[in-house]
Amino acid sequence: EAQVTQNPRYLITVTGKKLTVTCSQNMNHEYMSWYRQDPGLGLRQIYYSMNVEVTDKGDVPEGYKVSRKEKRNFPLILESPSPNQTSLYFCASSVVLSDQETQYFGPGTRLLVL
Amino acid sequence: AQSVAQPEDQVNVAEGNPLTVKCTYSVSGNPYLFWYVQYPNRGLQFLLKYITGDNLVKGSYGFEAEFNKSQTSFHLKKPSALVSDSALYFCAVRGYTGGFKTIFGAGTRLFVKA
Repeated sequence: EAQVTQNPRYLITVTGKKLTVTCSQNMNHEYMSWYRQDPGLGLRQIYYSMNVEVTDKGDVPEGYKVSRKEKRNFPLILESPSPNQTSLYFCASSVVLSDQETQYFGPGTRLLVL
Repeated sequence: AQSVAQPEDQVNVAEGNPLTVKCTYSVSGNPYLFWYVQYPNRGLQFLLKYITGDNLVKGSYGFEAEFNKSQTSFHLKKPSALVSDSALYFCAVRGYTGGFKTIFGAGTRLFVKA
């Protein structure tokens, strides 16, 4: 079954304590992205990756890091979380063939930073 | 800079009636345009993508979107709404250049009443 998995699904942490949210896809997709969803602001792209070792900033990259060492995994790292990073986070993977595109989203990770 | 506006926070429609969810965009050059849906407690799903070509794009679940270059709009439509279409809908834009950077609107909540 084609899927994008994220872990953990729920996380409560404290300001400044480093955390990693993992994302993995089993479809061999080249493109992966991280988004955050906040009420009234919709979705905002944090980082994206167009292939292994190729990552770039999205709309709101401050306070986040990513890595793409292998095709299936795209972890999101918060080196020093702050309360304004409390949000619902989604990972996604995409396949693009001749401009046609299909995207799959993970189930989301709800993060609370105290 | 890319931007997306969804001018309606909420759209109400009766079951069986046609529905329209509005989206306008701003991007340098030609755009890729997208619609996504978030059903309650079911995560995000990709509905459709516009690439250069036909101005009417067909997507999942009977939805379609109409591209209008002169009005820089990309409205989501469905000829006959279902109660099960009630959800949060997001429009997004990506420029032909600029990699995979994608900007989303704030979302429109659709309520379909039986």
